[in-house]
Amino acid sequence: GQQLNQSPQSMFIQEGEDVSMNCTSSSIFNTWLWYKQDPGEGPVLLIALYKAGELTSNGRLTAQFGITRKDSFLNISASIPSDVGIYFCAGQLSRDDKIIFGKGTRLHILP
Amino acid sequence: DGGITQSPKYLFRKEGQNVTLSCEQNLNHDAMYWYRQDPGQGLRLIYYSQIVNDFQKGDIAEGYSVSREKKESFPLTVTSAQKNPTAFYLCASRSRGPQETQYFGPGTRLLVL
Repeated sequence: GQQLNQSPQSMFIQEGEDVSMNCTSSSIFNTWLWYKQDPGEGPVLLIALYKAGELTSNGRLTAQFGITRKDSFLNISASIPSDVGIYFCAGQLSRDDKIIFGKGTRLHILP
Repeated sequence: DGGITQSPKYLFRKEGQNVTLSCEQNLNHDAMYWYRQDPGQGLRLIYYSQIVNDFQKGDIAEGYSVSREKKESFPLTVTSAQKNPTAFYLCASRSRGPQETQYFGPGTRLLVL
């Protein structure tokens, strides 16, 4: 079945550093979604991508839909303490398909 | 405001007891989903419903049941058959159209006494 590999599993960075995380799939997707989850809360949608090669920004966040349609990455620039949390990628092949989630990247910011 | 609400925020279950988690959405979405999240783990799909009065099992449906009598509501019952129910439960709904997007509720944490 379809699988999503999300890396890294966790990251420890200094405040102000840029962050990069990615997801790769064994199959192609037509939709990529990126979410952030704070402790004890539901995931919040950050960026949605619907077209191969698409590059979309949301404030300090930038995500890209890979040309091969089998990968996506998320960058966070100039990290701040509130960026701490778990970031999930998710992919969907086509309408009505189940959305497949990665296992998440846990971001820690060192004081 | 449009969104997904889940209640309660915390729920305690005694051994052998069935409990029901509520999920309501006013986004006019057809599809709704229930996920289970264990500490440090990703999301696992329990049940989903594409339309009123219809639902399908996800990857870990055993010990759970659902109903979809109204478009806005998709309650999840954790039955006594679920031997390890302690987890964080997330409800989600999905917009339809050429660009589908899935949104999550705030979650319910279930603890066994």
